[in-house]
Amino acid sequence: QKEVEQDPGPLSVPEGAIVSLNCTYSNSAFQYFMWYRQYSRKGPELLMYTYSSGNKEDGRFTAQVDKSSKYISLFIRDSQPSDSATYLCAMRVGGNNRLAFGKGNQVVVIP
Amino acid sequence: GAGVSQSPSNKVTEKGKDVELRCDPISGHTALYWYRQRLGQGLEFLIYFQGNSAPDKSGLPSDRFSAERTGESVSTLTIQRTQQEDSAVYLCASSRASGDQPQHFGDGTRLSIL
Repeated sequence: QKEVEQDPGPLSVPEGAIVSLNCTYSNSAFQYFMWYRQYSRKGPELLMYTYSSGNKEDGRFTAQVDKSSKYISLFIRDSQPSDSATYLCAMRVGGNNRLAFGKGNQVVVIP
Repeated sequence: GAGVSQSPSNKVTEKGKDVELRCDPISGHTALYWYRQRLGQGLEFLIYFQGNSAPDKSGLPSDRFSAERTGESVSTLTIQRTQQEDSAVYLCASSRASGDQPQHFGDGTRLSIL
């Protein structure tokens, strides 16, 4: 079993819809959880950075962490064509520097 | 301030040749990381630098891979005797310090081995 599982999609939604993405993980020691957005031929760009369970909101983006279920989610409200990208979940153990990534989920927002 | 800079952006080379990839981190970032992204796969950790020492090089896939960093600045990742399975995007990231700081990525070097 891979440390981090993420369904690669692709996921197509109409403009204005809510995009829902998620990852599951097996290592209960993970404490820090991130979502990165990656446009084609670009590096990953940090979107959300959370510690422990709960919700974090930043504009149209909401990150949720459920450590008891080893499950994290990213929601994008009022999706825009510019949100079309690959979304990567990443996580790490506290005090450890290596990030463990999911495979990434390709999202297409159709105008 | 500039972001993480990587060069070259693309590299095509023949199997068996050596390649050198360069990463220039964000100014003031003491921690530097190399990852590999193969087609259809998630990013794989290769090596981590704190300053110019590498406390974690456990992700390097073979002894053909090596990396160094001068001071708290530029790092080079060297792949010797390249193989076709080395074809990937090699991404560099940096952060203010090790531990709990978020990592910021460059746009990567797209390496193709013929």
